[in-house]
Amino acid sequence: KNQVEQSPQSLIILEGKNCTLQCNYTVSPFSNLRWYKQDTGRGPVSLTIMTFSENTKSNGRYTATLDADTKQSSLHITASQLSDSASYICVVKRRSGYALNFGKGTSLLVTP
Amino acid sequence: GAGVSQSPSNKVTEKGKDVELRCDPISGHTALYWYRQSLGQGLEFLIYFQGNSAPDKSGLPSDRFSAERTGGSVSTLTIQRTQQEDSAVYLCASSLEGASGSYEQYFGPGTRLTVT
Repeated sequence: KNQVEQSPQSLIILEGKNCTLQCNYTVSPFSNLRWYKQDTGRGPVSLTIMTFSENTKSNGRYTATLDADTKQSSLHITASQLSDSASYICVVKRRSGYALNFGKGTSLLVTP
Repeated sequence: GAGVSQSPSNKVTEKGKDVELRCDPISGHTALYWYRQSLGQGLEFLIYFQGNSAPDKSGLPSDRFSAERTGGSVSTLTIQRTQQEDSAVYLCASSLEGASGSYEQYFGPGTRLTVT
C-alpha cells in the first residue's frame, strides 16, 4: 500500500479560482514533507519543504500546511493561473535514510 | 547555473534491444538518484549513488537494469533486452548530499522510453 495518498486524482478549475490539494501519509518516523510541481514533459520542481515543527509555509500563490499529528498536508493555490496546470506531487521523507515516498500526484487543469 | 540534464529526451526502441540513458547532475552534487515514472503512477526509486560509496541498487526491478556513475559525476542507466513494461519516463535527480539531510533533490527533464 502506498504510504502517501493524494486527492483528488485530478481537478479542473477556472482561471482565477482557488483550489486545495490534499496529501495523507503514513510514513513514520517523519522527517519532512515536500510538494513538487511537475509540468508536462518536465521533471518535478520543488515548491515547499516542511519539517515537523512547521505548520504552514508559503511560496507566492502556493501555501502548504502540515498537521504532523494527523499526518495530513494540503497545498492551497490562490488565484489560479493557466500556468498552474500541472501535476502536484506530495513527497514524504522518513527520519532515517535517504528514501523518499512519492504520492501519485494530483493533475490540475486550469481553464480560461 | 546549469541544472540536471538528461539525454536523450525521447527514445523509441524495439523489444529486446539494449538502451542507455544518460544523466549529467548539477556540478558539485554528490548524490544522484534514478527514478522511473510510469503513466498514472508515482515516482519509483531505482538506484542511489552517494560519493564514493557503494550504490543502493535495491530499487532496480530486475537484473536487466544496471547503472554506473563515473568519476562521481555523469551516470548511465542501462536496460538490457528491453520489454514493453519498461516503457516509462526515467528521471534523474541530484542533491548536495544524500537525502538523510533535507537537501533538495533537483530533477532533470527525464527520458521518455517507449518500447515497441
